[in-house]
Amino acid sequence: AQSVTQLGSHVSVSEGALVLLRCNYSSSVPPYLFWYVQYPNQGLQLLLKYTSAATLVKGINGFEAEFKKSETSFHLTKPSAHMSDAAEYFCAVSDRNFGNEKLTFGTGTRLTIIP
Amino acid sequence: NAGVTQTPKFQVLKTGQSMTLQCAQDMNHNSMYWYRQDPGMGLRLIYYSASEGTTDKGEVPNGYNVSRLNKREFSLRLESAAPSQTSVYFCASSVWGLNTGELFFGEGSRLTVL
Repeated sequence: AQSVTQLGSHVSVSEGALVLLRCNYSSSVPPYLFWYVQYPNQGLQLLLKYTSAATLVKGINGFEAEFKKSETSFHLTKPSAHMSDAAEYFCAVSDRNFGNEKLTFGTGTRLTIIP
Repeated sequence: NAGVTQTPKFQVLKTGQSMTLQCAQDMNHNSMYWYRQDPGMGLRLIYYSASEGTTDKGEVPNGYNVSRLNKREFSLRLESAAPSQTSVYFCASSVWGLNTGELFFGEGSRLTVL
């Protein structure tokens, strides 16, 4: 079974500083990996995804993530944090059961931006 | 575009009461999902429907039933609510293939069971 582990349930960074949110995966097949963001009182929306093309994936709002097979990681980064980045971020993995796919989510990381 | 619409947004139940959460999507997606979100536990899949006419259990199906009424609608029923079912429930839909992994979520339904 596929799973993801997000290290750090809460991360605080200063405005303008580097954002690094960690995600490690476990998968019996080459994984499809995703990062979603949830703003307060809203549903989740897709930030970016890795589906076995380029290992460095760029997403919305200046975020990017790098797939590293040797480290089984898919960490999310942004060079310079903005106040609007404050939200909860979820890493997810697909079971790649084509035609019957579903995602398994991590436990989430709440990002706080310090002015 | 409405996207994924869930009703109700808020509900308070007493233990043992029943209720149905409704979900509808207008994006012509094949797959629909019900997740619950609890603090520190992320989102856990309750049930999903890969296509009209099919439903499958997810990670935490006990105490729930679902109906895929048609391609647009996927409802979640609690037959006898328990305090452990206090949670925020999210419906989502997707179309696999080129857009693999992109789930579109509703705004959530906050359920409290007393």
